Amino acid sequence: DIQMTQSPSALSASVGDRVTITCRASQTINNYLAWYQNKPEKAPKLLIYEASNLESGVPSRFSGSGSGTEFTLTISSLQSDDFATYYCQGYNNYWTFGQGTKVEIK
Amino acid sequence: QVLLVESGGGVVQPGRSLRLSCAASGFTFRTHGIDWVRQAPGKGLEWVAAVSYDGMNKYYADSVKGRFTISRDNSKNRLYLQMNSLRVEDSAVYYCAREGLATKLHTFDIWGQGTKVTVSS
Repeated sequence: DIQMTQSPSALSASVGDRVTITCRASQTINNYLAWYQNKPEKAPKLLIYEASNLESGVPSRFSGSGSGTEFTLTISSLQSDDFATYYCQGYNNYWTFGQGTKVEIK
Repeated sequence: QVLLVESGGGVVQPGRSLRLSCAASGFTFRTHGIDWVRQAPGKGLEWVAAVSYDGMNKYYADSVKGRFTISRDNSKNRLYLQMNSLRVEDSAVYYCAREGLATKLHTFDIWGQGTKVTVSS
C-alpha cells in the first residue's frame, strides 16, 4: 500500500499569508491526488482533484500542483475561513490519506 | 440537492456488531463507487472500505478486513457497512463518501455528515 506523508503537520499563519503544504507519496500515483479541507464537527470538503483541478465553488486562492510522488497545496492569501486541517489523499489500488496539516491562527 | 445521510451509529460493547446505513439522493446512485471513511477522535481520516458502482467489487483496509462487510442496494439507493467483532479502536465518526467520475475518479467529491460509533465496555 502507498504511504502519503504531509508536511508540516501543523503551521501558524496570519490572514493574508501565503501557505504551502506538501504531500509525498511512497510510489507514483499517476496524479490521483486530491486535497480536502476538514473543520471540527463538519464533513471533509473536496478542494482539489487530479492534483491541480479546482473543485467547483472552491475559491481561486486555493491551488494544487505536482506530479508523480510530490504534490503541493497552496493558499495564496489566507482568509479567516481557511483555518482548518487539510488532508491529501492518493490512490494506487487503494485509497490513502495523509496524516493532515493543521493551519492555525498566528 | 446531492445528499448522503448516514445512520446506525451508537455505543456498542467490544466484540459486538453494528450495521451502518447511508441513504443517497439527488444523483444517479448506481453509477458511482461509494466508500466508507472514518475519523477517530482527535485523529486523521482513514479509508475503510469501497464498493464499485454495481456492487461486484469490494475493497477493505487491512485494519477491518475479515470483520467489516460493505454492500449496496441500488434499488434503494443505499449503502451499508456491517461491522462485526468490534474493537475499541474502531470508535470513530464514519462517513460515507461518493467517488467521482472521469477526472474525479478515485476522489471523494460528496460526503455525508457522519455517524458516530463508540465501542466501549
